[in-house]
Amino acid sequence: GQNIDQPTEMTATEGAIVQINCTYQTSGFNGLFWYQQHAGEAPTFLSYNVLDGLEEKGRFSSFLSRSKGYSYLLLKELQMKDSASYLCAVRGVGGSYIPTFGRGTSLIVHP
Amino acid sequence: EAGVVQSPRYKIIEKKQPVAFWCNPISGHNTLYWYRQNLGQGPELLIRYENEEAVDDSQLPKDRFSAERLKGVDSTLKIQPAELGDSAVYLCASSPTPADNNEQFFGPGTRLTVL
Repeated sequence: GQNIDQPTEMTATEGAIVQINCTYQTSGFNGLFWYQQHAGEAPTFLSYNVLDGLEEKGRFSSFLSRSKGYSYLLLKELQMKDSASYLCAVRGVGGSYIPTFGRGTSLIVHP
Repeated sequence: EAGVVQSPRYKIIEKKQPVAFWCNPISGHNTLYWYRQNLGQGPELLIRYENEEAVDDSQLPKDRFSAERLKGVDSTLKIQPAELGDSAVYLCASSPTPADNNEQFFGPGTRLTVL
């Protein structure tokens, strides 16, 4: 099985940097996803990590350490529109390739 | 390109009534997923289809839930009879294949309220 842990809620100031952590325990590992979900909307894909290290994509970056079972999503130059839930999803082994989602971290960006 | 389409967007029913949700995935996507998302939680997989075949339905409560994807394109998810605990958002997603780094494309969901 898989156990995924994220903080429930975080707050940050517009223009700042915020780091959202995700720790996981899985029976094997086959990739980690981050999704963004605005209230009442569908999750949208942000990033995918399967090897250790940092993946940068514009204002968003995602880091993975497989040995530590740890990932973080880094959001720079925060904007009000970044207020959303950020879901960490981990894919284990077993052939189904289906990721298991964490409960999400609700990020509130204030002026 | 059109995204994943779901209908209805909202549904309110009384307990013990039946309800059905419809999903049309992105054209060409062979894999279709149904998820349930409770408030403050991440999506939980109910069932996955590869074309018209259900290949992962271990989390589907089969006593009251059923799903079909007869022609390998659109899909319906049914609950009969609905219970109070079924109130949630039901998300449909699709992807080209389930392998590698393929992201899942989610529809807007159907918000079900059971009274």
